[in-house]
Amino acid sequence: QQQVKQSPQSLIVQKGGISIINCAYENTAFDYFPWYQQFPGKGPALLIAIRPDVSEKKEGRFTISFNKSAKQFSLHIMDSQPGDSATYFCAASIKQAGTALIFGKGTTLSVSS
Amino acid sequence: DTEVTQTPKHLVMGMTNKKSLKCEQHMGHRAMYWYKQKAKKPPELMFVYSYEKLSINESVPSRFSPECPNSSLLNLHLHALQPEDSALYLCASSQVGTRNQPQHFGDGTRLSIL
Repeated sequence: QQQVKQSPQSLIVQKGGISIINCAYENTAFDYFPWYQQFPGKGPALLIAIRPDVSEKKEGRFTISFNKSAKQFSLHIMDSQPGDSATYFCAASIKQAGTALIFGKGTTLSVSS
Repeated sequence: DTEVTQTPKHLVMGMTNKKSLKCEQHMGHRAMYWYKQKAKKPPELMFVYSYEKLSINESVPSRFSPECPNSSLLNLHLHALQPEDSALYLCASSQVGTRNQPQHFGDGTRLSIL
C-alpha cells in the first residue's frame, strides 16, 4: 500500500511533442504528490506538485493531472525539448508519516531533436 | 546551484574507515532528511530530523549514524561500511507545517566503498 507505481520506465519523444508519465497509488492517506526531475550527477529537483483537492496544476510547459477516484496522477510535458531529457520521479507522502517521500521507480525521458 | 549544499561531492573509503558526510542549508527549514540512491533507482529514505530531533529511522544499519548539530546542519557518520553501501547519498530539507512541504535536495555525495 506504500508503493507508487510509475510508467513507462523509459520514453522517447520527438522535439516539440508531448511527454506523458503516469503514476498510480493505493494508499488513500497520501496527500501530497510532487514530481522531481533528475539529471545525471545531480540531485532531484522539484518540478511541480499537487494536492488531492485540485484536479490539475500547470506551471509553464509542465502540467499535473490528478484523478482522485482512480488514484492516479500524471505529468504532461508540452513542447518537449532536448533539455528536458532526464529521469523523472513521481512521489507521494503522508502527513502522518512525517513527510517522508515515497518515490516511483522513475522514467527516463529522451527527447530527440 | 542548489540551496542544499553537500560535502564532499565524492568519497572513496575502505571498509574499516570512519568518515562523515555533511549537509548544510540556510533556507530556515526545520526538517532535514537523508536518502540513499542506487544507480537507476529512486531515492530511498534513511532518516528524518524534525526540529533537530530524529523522527524517522527507516531501519538503517547502525554503521550509519546521523547527527543534527543545529537547524542548518546535518551529518551522516559512516563506519565499517560494506561494498553494497556504495551509492549516492542525498540530503534534503523542508519546512515543517500543518501540510506537507516541498523537499529540496542537494546534489549528493557519491560514495564508493572499496
